[in-house]
Amino acid sequence: AIRLTQSPSSFSASTGDRVTITCRASQHVSGYLAWYQQKPGKAPNLLIYGASTLQSGVPSRFSGSGSGTDFTLTITWLQSEDFATYYCQQYYGYPRTFGQGTKVEIK
Amino acid sequence: EVQLLESGGALVQPGGSLRLSCVASGFDFSSYAMSWVRQAPGRGPEWVSAISGRNFGPSYADSVKGRFTISRDNSKNTLYLQMDSLRAEDTAVYYCAKEVLGVSDYYFDYWGQGTLVTVFS
Repeated sequence: AIRLTQSPSSFSASTGDRVTITCRASQHVSGYLAWYQQKPGKAPNLLIYGASTLQSGVPSRFSGSGSGTDFTLTITWLQSEDFATYYCQQYYGYPRTFGQGTKVEIK
Repeated sequence: EVQLLESGGALVQPGGSLRLSCVASGFDFSSYAMSWVRQAPGRGPEWVSAISGRNFGPSYADSVKGRFTISRDNSKNTLYLQMDSLRAEDTAVYYCAKEVLGVSDYYFDYWGQGTLVTVFS
């Protein structure tokens, strides 16, 4: 199975900050990568698919980039509602796999 | 509005069985593949099983193959997961998730609220 490693595992930030989360795949996944946001007690919510395509309704302060094995999720101008855990997911290889998550906490 | 409502989670002893259900609304259920994805406490999500919109070719994670069975009833807009020979490591919140196409192996654009399965002795 393709392993996805996210970094950092957690960090603290302030509202208004620009933050970047990295997802590295153990094998090439082309652009078949999605990002989700999860808040405590809630289901994951799709943010980005195809590595860089914003899901309908997701604020434009979220953006994704990368291809192959290295991907990033960037949040410009962090808002209070963005404090959550973020997961990447690849759908290039079988089975589909998720990263271990990156928790964004309030500084 | 797309809605997915899971039920059937419970406390069960190792070796026991459970059947999860997921009732879907707000979209043409039979046109989309569906998956079950689980999340153990403090862990990332783990894909468990998927089934195409037309009920073809179910697929399973190695960790559940031979123990879990996915099915769907398109006339009832309902997805099922029959879970047999349950183990402690199956303890997780189980989510029903809508795929973006009629076949699986992509990403998930809608998720249910989840149902908790706890396997304990």
